Amino acid sequence: AQRVTQPEKLLSVFKGAPVELKCNYSYSGSPELFWYVQYSRQRLQLLLRHISRESIKGFTADLNKGETSFHLKKPFAQEEDSAMYYCALSGSNQGGKLIFGQGTELSVKP
Amino acid sequence: NAGVTQTPKFQVLKTGQSMTLQCAQDMNHEYMSWYRQDPGMGLRLIHYSVGAGITDQGEVPNGYNVSRSTTEDFPLRLLSAAPSQTSVYFCASTRPGGEAFFGQGTRLTVV
Repeated sequence: AQRVTQPEKLLSVFKGAPVELKCNYSYSGSPELFWYVQYSRQRLQLLLRHISRESIKGFTADLNKGETSFHLKKPFAQEEDSAMYYCALSGSNQGGKLIFGQGTELSVKP
Repeated sequence: NAGVTQTPKFQVLKTGQSMTLQCAQDMNHEYMSWYRQDPGMGLRLIHYSVGAGITDQGEVPNGYNVSRSTTEDFPLRLLSAAPSQTSVYFCASTRPGGEAFFGQGTRLTVV
């Protein structure tokens, strides 16, 4: 079965601290993994995807097929990073169908 | 460029009433979808469409209908609203390669 698990509902860190939002997935095949972010009063938007291997707003995420994980990391959190983060999976040949995790709320304190 | 336009932003319904949530996109994407967002459950797929005239059920389709008469529009209909349908609803339009663009959301309360 296709499943995305984000074990932390809430993650609270202080400004300047490293942050890691965990994401584990279950999929038989080669999935595409994404991180979406929802800032307060804004719509969901794509933060990054594994195939692009880029860093957006200082965030990176590496796909670990052995551990079936796609954790999101940032070395120094900023207050403006406070938001809801969703990990999502899309299977190959499934067009745009996305399976989302439960979401992790990141709170960065001053 | 409007992207994905979703209306209304807020709605209160009485149990048993019906309504339609509107969604339109101007990016010429074939794939569109509807999600509901509930605390602790993330976004769950209600229905999706891979093109005009083609729709299919997602994870939680009961109580909802969709149609896709044009590429641009993908309305979601609640047939007989129930309190369990109180949620935030998001429409999304996905381009080839997987990036989804979301509407601003509809906060629906069923009393």
